[in-house]
Amino acid sequence: GQNIDQPTEMTATEGAIVQINCTYQTSGFNGLFWYQQHAGEAPTFLSYNVLDGLEEKGRFSSFLSRSKGYSYLLLKELQMKDSASYLCAVMDSNYQLIWGAGTKLIIKP
Amino acid sequence: DADVTQTPRNRITKTGKRIMLECSQTKGHDRMYWYRQDPGLGLRLIYYSFDVKDINKGEISDGYSVSRQAQAKFSLSLESAIPNQTALYFCATSDRGGDTGELFFGEGSRLTVL
Repeated sequence: GQNIDQPTEMTATEGAIVQINCTYQTSGFNGLFWYQQHAGEAPTFLSYNVLDGLEEKGRFSSFLSRSKGYSYLLLKELQMKDSASYLCAVMDSNYQLIWGAGTKLIIKP
Repeated sequence: DADVTQTPRNRITKTGKRIMLECSQTKGHDRMYWYRQDPGLGLRLIYYSFDVKDINKGEISDGYSVSRQAQAKFSLSLESAIPNQTALYFCATSDRGGDTGELFFGEGSRLTVL
């Protein structure tokens, strides 16, 4: 079966750095997405990786290793507004998105 | 105004009732999707449509039906609601399914079935 694993919850301090990991086992691979979802709101797109390596976008970076079935989202200079759930999703060989359950990130002052 | 609009935002209904959730978009995208989100689970695809004449079942289509009335409108129906359909429902659109296929989500419709 297809599976996306990410930690259920993480806590970090304002101003610090946090890394949210995602491992996947899917039927084929056509890209990996990270979305941010604030409580009670819609998910919003953060990043897309299809090739191995690091993609940097401001305070957020996303890394992919296809051989290891592994990705991480790196958030730097954490702000209180970064408190949210972070969803990892993989596009399989049929171009269907398989979603992880999300990682709830709690930022403390 | 939101690019992807869902109505109603909240609905409480009783078992056996018919419910329709509506979605409209102004992004001009051909592809539209209905997902449900439950605590502790990932988003699960109910139905998707790549154009007006194209409807496809997703992972969990049983108990649901959809209608693509126009490029901009995609509605989800629960013919006879049951309590385990209590969930947060999201409509989403995308410009293309391959490549990046970024999804744009509506604000969600919270449905409670008593």
